[in-house]
Amino acid sequence: QQQVRQSPQSLTVWEGETAILNCSYEDSTFDYFPWYWQFPRESPALLIAIRPVSNKKEDGRFTIFFNKREKKLSLHITDSQPGDSATYFCAASADYNQGKLIFGQGTKLSIKP
Amino acid sequence: GPKVLQIPSHQIIDMGQMVTLNCDPVSNHLYFYWYKQILGQQMEFLVNFYNGKVMEKSKLFKDQFSVERPDGSYFTLKIQPTALEDSAVYFCASNWGGSYEQYFGPGTRLTVL
Repeated sequence: QQQVRQSPQSLTVWEGETAILNCSYEDSTFDYFPWYWQFPRESPALLIAIRPVSNKKEDGRFTIFFNKREKKLSLHITDSQPGDSATYFCAASADYNQGKLIFGQGTKLSIKP
Repeated sequence: GPKVLQIPSHQIIDMGQMVTLNCDPVSNHLYFYWYKQILGQQMEFLVNFYNGKVMEKSKLFKDQFSVERPDGSYFTLKIQPTALEDSAVYFCASNWGGSYEQYFGPGTRLTVL
């Protein structure tokens, strides 16, 4: 049972364009949604995160849009740079689980210069 | 930022042998986690640990797995005996308990022959 789903599996955009990565979830008790990025053979690192009290979280070129009613969120990367090329994981956590993270399958993003 | 260390970075063993993966979490962190990532797939939660006890484990945390953190030393994941399907990268993470943010180590790549 996949509780967190991501689409697309892979995405290629040109440098300077906006990349949109999608995520959906099933468990309505999830209350924390971090996005991690991971470069090949490196550990995942927290990029940006949101709680359901907000429907938008912005950090520089990275913005999360959150729709609680539809249980969907998306990560927008504006002015994409080649250095943004990585695999992006959407994750979710619920309070009662002591912060256990449930990860999606990831979106492999490639930025073409 | 805070660093989680993992030793060794790569371990190759024969099926049936015992292996211990070591994690040095961030010094003031209280919650510890192990995740398993098979090449090209998402990370999957194995177990979390707090105050000397396992809080929750997933179905991936087989009877052959055990965790401990004796006297504030390394947080360890022991697999005895190992099986071919245990080949993966194992990530340790830690969290201080006041927020959901988990810091991940660089991973230990385990190869079971």
